[in-house]
Amino acid sequence: QSALTQPASVSGSPGQSITISCTGISSDVSDYRYVSWYQQHPGKAPKLIIYDVSDRPSRVSNRFSGSKAGNTASLTISGLQAEDEADYYCASYISRATLGVFGGGTKLTVL
Amino acid sequence: QVQLVESGGGVVQPGRSLRLSCAASGFTFSSYGVHWVRQAPGKGLDWVAAISYDGNNKYYGDSVKGRFTISRDNSKNTLYLQINSLRAEDTAVYYCARERREVNPVPLPNFDYWGQGTLVTVSS
Repeated sequence: QSALTQPASVSGSPGQSITISCTGISSDVSDYRYVSWYQQHPGKAPKLIIYDVSDRPSRVSNRFSGSKAGNTASLTISGLQAEDEADYYCASYISRATLGVFGGGTKLTVL
Repeated sequence: QVQLVESGGGVVQPGRSLRLSCAASGFTFSSYGVHWVRQAPGKGLDWVAAISYDGNNKYYGDSVKGRFTISRDNSKNTLYLQINSLRAEDTAVYYCARERREVNPVPLPNFDYWGQGTLVTVSS
């Protein structure tokens, strides 16, 4: 069982926006800004799309954005495209004892 | 360009040991913390271990403490993962991943580059 909770699946039509949530137990997501998001296509390695809650690597489309409120972080994808269909994972720093944890993953289907 | 290339996976019997390697190139390896992340077939990502840029600080996930050992050789630009007492539940693709910040004594789980992974199958 993951310490960070994500919905198992979300779906949307091309051009629409979707949001994936990542809910943590109290001391992880809420206390730190070290939340990141990854996109993974089948058979491929994950790709960083958001780090430090809301920052985006230069090579990542600005259709991807991140935010956090309380103990829930969120990934929003706007202007959905067929190529966005993939699994998405959140990750967070926990503490120096347990450095990091991933969410269970969310499968995005573009209808 | 930044490259991480894992090797050492294969089919191993339960109870045996294995050492995975991750060869880094295209960046100053000795300036970055690196992690191992695994993914069981059809399952999600599982953070395994991390080591600081200088090798002085090591961290492990609860499920592998006592059985896995992470290490690095900065002179060879290589990361290692020694896995002992292998169990069926260790079957997974093992990825090495670089932390995006340089010279960070606590290698945070912000992974900007990943290898292609190496598959470990534990089976009799």
